[in-house]
Amino acid sequence: EAGVAQSPRYKIIEKRQSVAFWCNPISGHATLYWYQQILGQGPKLLIQFQNNGVVDDSQLPKDRFSAERLKGVDSTLKIQPAKLEDSAVYLCASSSSGTDEQFFGPGTRLTVL
Amino acid sequence: ILNVEQSPQSLHVQEGDSTNFTCSFPSSNFYALHWYRWETAKSPEALFVMTLNGDEKKKGRISATLNTKEGYSYLYIKGSQPEDSATYLCACGIYGGSQGNLIFGKGTKLSVKP
Repeated sequence: EAGVAQSPRYKIIEKRQSVAFWCNPISGHATLYWYQQILGQGPKLLIQFQNNGVVDDSQLPKDRFSAERLKGVDSTLKIQPAKLEDSAVYLCASSSSGTDEQFFGPGTRLTVL
Repeated sequence: ILNVEQSPQSLHVQEGDSTNFTCSFPSSNFYALHWYRWETAKSPEALFVMTLNGDEKKKGRISATLNTKEGYSYLYIKGSQPEDSATYLCACGIYGGSQGNLIFGKGTKLSVKP
């Protein structure tokens, strides 16, 4: 089966610019996650969707980050405006349900200059 | 805030050496312990999922154990090979956590020299 797809793989922007990342989960997986992994840290959950509804966005900086999964399949994560501290790898993962094994995409490496 | 701790942070070994890493996690509201292997520029790859105290799992030269009562897991690699070079992440599944249901450690970066 196809894995979790993410694009772009790399992105370099200047601070205060906007950026968007895309994720297509494994077919049939109801739960989708976005994680932020800052260099030297473990991945931190930003938002969890169950189908097209938000289950947990408690660690999403809502003043600048937004995410949607309108049709319950693919998802977009946006940062507007970006700050230097947003430089990180953004990982998307999916699972059959909220407590099942999560399968990860290759991530998008964002550099904010 | 719940923490998952991994040690060591990094490890340099020679090809053929055996090695092990530790993951410490909060034992309350625990439901699963995951180990992932993450090579640079690739997707994190699931190695093991363990749920029961005393669980032991093995995949080739890699094995893992779980102690849920004291809140730790060990990952062992026997006869390390250069292709084992990667960051090994552990993640603890917690019911009802405010940080999400999987809390990750910072990882152990393994480098295996030929």
